[in-house]
Amino acid sequence: TQLLEQSPQFLSIQEGENLTVYCNSSSVFSSLQWYRQEPGEGPVLLVTVVTGGEVKKLKRLTFQFGDARKDSSLHITAAQPGDTGLYLCAGGLTGGGNKLTFGTGTQLKVEL
Amino acid sequence: DTGVSQDPRHKITKRGQNVTFRCDPISEHNRLYWYRQTLGQGPEFLTYFQNEAQLEKSRLLSDRFSAERPKGSFSTLEIQRTEQGDSAMYLCASSLDYRNQPQHFGDGTRLSIL
Repeated sequence: TQLLEQSPQFLSIQEGENLTVYCNSSSVFSSLQWYRQEPGEGPVLLVTVVTGGEVKKLKRLTFQFGDARKDSSLHITAAQPGDTGLYLCAGGLTGGGNKLTFGTGTQLKVEL
Repeated sequence: DTGVSQDPRHKITKRGQNVTFRCDPISEHNRLYWYRQTLGQGPEFLTYFQNEAQLEKSRLLSDRFSAERPKGSFSTLEIQRTEQGDSAMYLCASSLDYRNQPQHFGDGTRLSIL
């Protein structure tokens, strides 16, 4: 059973389109992080959210943490080819120590 | 801040051989984590250190796996008697010692077992 489910698993869009990636769980997380990973490289941290309902913006990326701290979303406005990559959500479980539980990942491809 | 450094980046070895990977965390980070990632999956937690103490190990970490962080700085992960199923990307991450601190990852060691 996957603790953190991401959807969609794959997404192929045209430059300029908007998209949303979802990260859902039945468990409560004390914090949730979003990473982007390119082939052959490690995940690169995009944002950390810790408060239920929190919204953070990073240029064209908007991250939201659910009120109950069980889910999160990543919205990209006007996607660009440079946004192509594997997007991973990862949560620290409340009372689960310091390890991160990763989602299944969303592979995004943005074409010209 | 030079980031998390891992060595080697790639390792190809025959089944049954022993391999050792090294991770140098961000210098002021006293927490260090090891994860394993197979193709098409998110990373899975293996083990974690606070300074030199190994505080948690996953069930994924069989008896053939051992990790150390002898002086609370760099860490090594050794796999003995490698098996085909050990082929994966081994990622190291580090963080500060405060609640909800984000983990910063290295670029990993890609292990291929022939």
